[in-house]
Amino acid sequence: DTEVTQTPKHLVMGMTNKKSLKCEQHMGHRAMYWYKQKAKKPPELMFVYSYEKLSINESVPSRFSPECPNSSLLNLHLHALQPEDSALYLCASSLIAGAETQYFGPGTRLLVL
Amino acid sequence: AQSVTQLDSQVPVFEEAPVELRCNYSSSVSVYLFWYVQYPNQGLQLLLKYLSGSTLVKGINGFEAEFNKSQTSFHLRKPSVHISDTAEYFCAVTRGYSTLTFGKGTMLLVSP
Repeated sequence: DTEVTQTPKHLVMGMTNKKSLKCEQHMGHRAMYWYKQKAKKPPELMFVYSYEKLSINESVPSRFSPECPNSSLLNLHLHALQPEDSALYLCASSLIAGAETQYFGPGTRLLVL
Repeated sequence: AQSVTQLDSQVPVFEEAPVELRCNYSSSVSVYLFWYVQYPNQGLQLLLKYLSGSTLVKGINGFEAEFNKSQTSFHLRKPSVHISDTAEYFCAVTRGYSTLTFGKGTMLLVSP
């Protein structure tokens, strides 16, 4: 089973709202990733967690706050977002960080009004 | 640093025709190469990967790719496409313990 699940599938939020995206995998992977994808563009890496510790933050604004409560779960907390943050947010996981194959979830499509 | 170039932003083909999607990479060290497919309004699905060994790699849905070190290429091919192959295709590379670098993507448009 190479499944990564993400909830919710769609999210609409105002600029003053606080919301969270959730990602889960049960493949025993120890690396998890958040990507942001705008229309007609490739995914852009936001964060990498390795063994539940944040190892890479690609200079993401603090209105995005990741959290890895355990090895199977990854959250992305959203607060005071801007309309330009509207995008598809993809979660991925791999056995370890780096060369291993990354498996992607279906994404959460976020619209900020 | 590593980079990936997908030479075509769009490739229109007729159903049952062969197709090749081109990918070139640049890196001064050995790399690992991937092709992902993204159907409309979905996440990325791994088509195939090259880590080591045989340079001809077979993937899902009848796709294959050939790793060519001298030409630094990893082109994706399918001998006969279906309407259902219409999607965005991303080539990606990593050098080992670095992050995954994606190309800009190629939209494959299959028409009857």
